[in-house]
Amino acid sequence: SQQGEEDPQALSIQEGENATMNCSYKTSINNLQWYRQNSGRGLVHLILIRSNEREKHSGRLRVTLDTSKKSSSLLITASRAADTASYFCAPWGNTDKLIFGTGTRLQVFP
Amino acid sequence: DVKVTQSSRYLVKRTGEKVFLECVQDMDHENMFWYRQDPGLGLRLIYFSYDVKMKEKGDIPEGYSVSREKKERFSLILESASTNQTSMYLCASSLAGGGTGELFFGEGSRLTVL
Repeated sequence: SQQGEEDPQALSIQEGENATMNCSYKTSINNLQWYRQNSGRGLVHLILIRSNEREKHSGRLRVTLDTSKKSSSLLITASRAADTASYFCAPWGNTDKLIFGTGTRLQVFP
Repeated sequence: DVKVTQSSRYLVKRTGEKVFLECVQDMDHENMFWYRQDPGLGLRLIYFSYDVKMKEKGDIPEGYSVSREKKERFSLILESASTNQTSMYLCASSLAGGGTGELFFGEGSRLTVL
């Protein structure tokens, strides 16, 4: 299966701290995407990293990809209360659909 | 701005009722998807469509059907709702097929079947 597995399942930090979430997967991929979901809402795309990329930045987000370890990490720097959400990774190989895992629930306390 | 609109945010239906969940996108996307989301199980793909009148089964199609008569609209149908179909339903669309590009999601439809 192409499903990613996020770790940890839940993470609580104070505002200003960095948050790191990890994603592991089992098969070879073409790209890996990260999404955010605020409580009770739809998912929002954050970043896509291709298999030939090792690191990508977008604002306070930093994503790394290690294809040899079949893993990715999402780092949110200087977290804010508004970053409180669930975060999902979606690794994509040669299939016709994106499969999502159960996500990491991030709680940022003011 | 890109938009995927799901017709109902909250629905309450009775067991055995026929339920229609509607999804409309305004981005001229070829691909549309229906997922359901349950605590502890993440998002699971029900059906998807790559073109008008085309449909493909996802991982959990049992008890569901879909309709795509127009490019912008993808409907999920529960022929006879059951309590185990109580869930959050998420519609998404994408320009590129598979996972080559990002998915745009609607706000979700929370269905309760009594």
